[in-house]
Amino acid sequence: ELKVEQNPLFLSMQEGKNYTIYCNYSTTSDRLYWYRQDPGKSLESLFVLLSNGAVKQEGRLMASLDTKARLSTLHITAAVHDLSATYFCAVEVGNEKLTFGTGTRLTIIP
Amino acid sequence: NAGVTQTPKFRVLKTGQSMTLLCAQDMNHEYMYWYRQDPGMGLRLIHYSVGEGTTAKGEVPDGYNVSRLKKQNFLLGLESAAPSQTSVYFCASSFRTSGRTGASTDTQYFGPGTRLTVL
Repeated sequence: ELKVEQNPLFLSMQEGKNYTIYCNYSTTSDRLYWYRQDPGKSLESLFVLLSNGAVKQEGRLMASLDTKARLSTLHITAAVHDLSATYFCAVEVGNEKLTFGTGTRLTIIP
Repeated sequence: NAGVTQTPKFRVLKTGQSMTLLCAQDMNHEYMYWYRQDPGMGLRLIHYSVGEGTTAKGEVPDGYNVSRLKKQNFLLGLESAAPSQTSVYFCASSFRTSGRTGASTDTQYFGPGTRLTVL
């Protein structure tokens, strides 16, 4: 059974600082997704990482994938308040479905 | 395009009542999914479908049934609601794409959610 673990589960950081969210998974997979969820809202796709060494960047967010280590990171650069949200990683299982991590609730403090 | 829509947005049931949640997508996606989201547990897959007329069990299927009679619709049924089914339910859909070992799910697009309370 695939397990997907995110850490930290909760993160408070000051505006302007950098930080990284980690996503570890337990079995081989070639596809990893990052989603964002604002409070009371639905999930929005951020990145899809398709191969070992893949790196994607959008604004102050950068995601990477190391399939050998079964690890993905979501790096936040010079955080701003608008990035406050819950971030989920999700790993493809059996080509048809995803297993989601429990999420990292990020709060950016002025 | 409306994307993925869910009906209803909110519902309160009494224990033992039944209801059906409707998910509709207008993106011609092959794959559709039903998840539940509970505090501290992320999203858990209830049932999914890889095409019209097909369904499969996910991680937490007990107490739920699904049907996909049309490609654009995916229905989730609760035959006899229980308080443990109080949750936020999300529907999602995706294209089928090609992966290293065959057909694969692509980016999933989520509906706005249904907040269900069972008393």
